[in-house]
Amino acid sequence: AQSVTQLGSHVSVSEGALVLLRCNYSSSVPPYLFWYVQYPNQGLQLLLKYTTGATLVKGINGFEAEFKKSETSFHLTKPSAHMSDAAEYFCAVSGGSNYKLTFGKGTLLTVNP
Amino acid sequence: NAGVTQTPKFRVLKTGQSMTLLCAQDMNHEYMYWYRQDPGMGLRLIHYSVGEGTTAKGEVPDGYNVSRLKKQNFLLGLESAAPSQTSVYFCASTPKMTDTQYFGPGTRLTVL
Repeated sequence: AQSVTQLGSHVSVSEGALVLLRCNYSSSVPPYLFWYVQYPNQGLQLLLKYTTGATLVKGINGFEAEFKKSETSFHLTKPSAHMSDAAEYFCAVSGGSNYKLTFGKGTLLTVNP
Repeated sequence: NAGVTQTPKFRVLKTGQSMTLLCAQDMNHEYMYWYRQDPGMGLRLIHYSVGEGTTAKGEVPDGYNVSRLKKQNFLLGLESAAPSQTSVYFCASTPKMTDTQYFGPGTRLTVL
């Protein structure tokens, strides 16, 4: 069985500040890990993913995430927040059969001017 | 290349009515999924399909049925709608050998 915990349902930062969205996972098999972003009234868009290999993964829009097996974490970061980053972010894990994704409950990111 | 499309975008039903949501993808993906999104709950898997003619239950399948008669289409049916099915429904698809899921724009359903 797999599960994802996103710490903090709402994160608020100032424009230009560091963005840190936390994700911890549980998986009985080597996980594939994903971050998706959802802008208001839109579908989900892939930000980045970890499958195998390099544990620091770079995604679109300046985001990156680091897979830490010992901590079962896959936190999302961006050095400097932009107003356009305001959205809801979902962490997800896969690794079982049929490529089913298990999503976290999401973190709403607010960026203040 | 339209990707994943969903029809309709919005719908209002009365309790007990039936309807079908259509998902279509033009990427020749083998796997397709239906999710529902509710505030504070993330996305929950309703049903999925690993290929034409096959379907399987996900996390929250009760009250829904699905069909995958053609590879490019995945239909989600509500036989007798209930207010608890008020939600935003997302369809997604993925190629057989990778895990990235590509999402449609969603259908907002309200059941009165």
